[in-house]
Amino acid sequence: QLQLQESGPGLVKPSETLSLTCSVSGGSIRSDYSLWDWIRQPPGKGLEWIGSISSNGITHYNPSFKSRLNISVDTSKNEFSLRLRSATAADTAQYYCARHLRPGVTASIFFENWGQGPLVTVSS
Amino acid sequence: EIVLTQSPGTLSLSPGERATLSCRASQTINSHYLTWYQQKPGQAPRLLIYATSSRATGFPARFSGSGSGTDFTLTISRLEPEDFAVYYCQHYGGSTAYTFGQGTKLEIK
Repeated sequence: QLQLQESGPGLVKPSETLSLTCSVSGGSIRSDYSLWDWIRQPPGKGLEWIGSISSNGITHYNPSFKSRLNISVDTSKNEFSLRLRSATAADTAQYYCARHLRPGVTASIFFENWGQGPLVTVSS
Repeated sequence: EIVLTQSPGTLSLSPGERATLSCRASQTINSHYLTWYQQKPGQAPRLLIYATSSRATGFPARFSGSGSGTDFTLTISRLEPEDFAVYYCQHYGGSTAYTFGQGTKLEIK
């Protein structure tokens, strides 16, 4: 069964870069059928899609983050990463990595697998 | 950008009662792209319903989804104690447009 696990600092200083990595186990990140996502949830609030990446490095970003976001993939390590520059207190949230089947592979698009979503706090 | 509005914000019911949760889109959407998730405290969201009405693995038949156009509904026919959670609808509107509703909290009355 596919499992996703986030890792990275739980505390980031304002103006610095928020960085997280998602390790994939129980399946290959090289799958042509999958897209790999980052989704966040501020404390007590709803869900917000951040962006996605394919195994060959093609990215799609939420326009709200595009100017300060970078998502990358390392197929040799079976993992993908998030870097969000110039972090502010508004970026404090649980950050989930997730997976969905790419359009064209399936008629429906939904996030089928999720990591646990560690809390990242932006504070001095 | 399509906006999803869920109602009510909080629904207080007792076990055994029927729950009806609404998700309204700001414009007509493809029903293949409307999904529901269940989230319990301290847990990641869990896929519940996809393509408006298809139930995900592990969820019993008391959960059902329906709707078309701009109005979609999640129904839980007879609430069990483990069903009290937050429910989110979500829409896929293109490669950079995955949007969620703000959620409905289903709480025990």
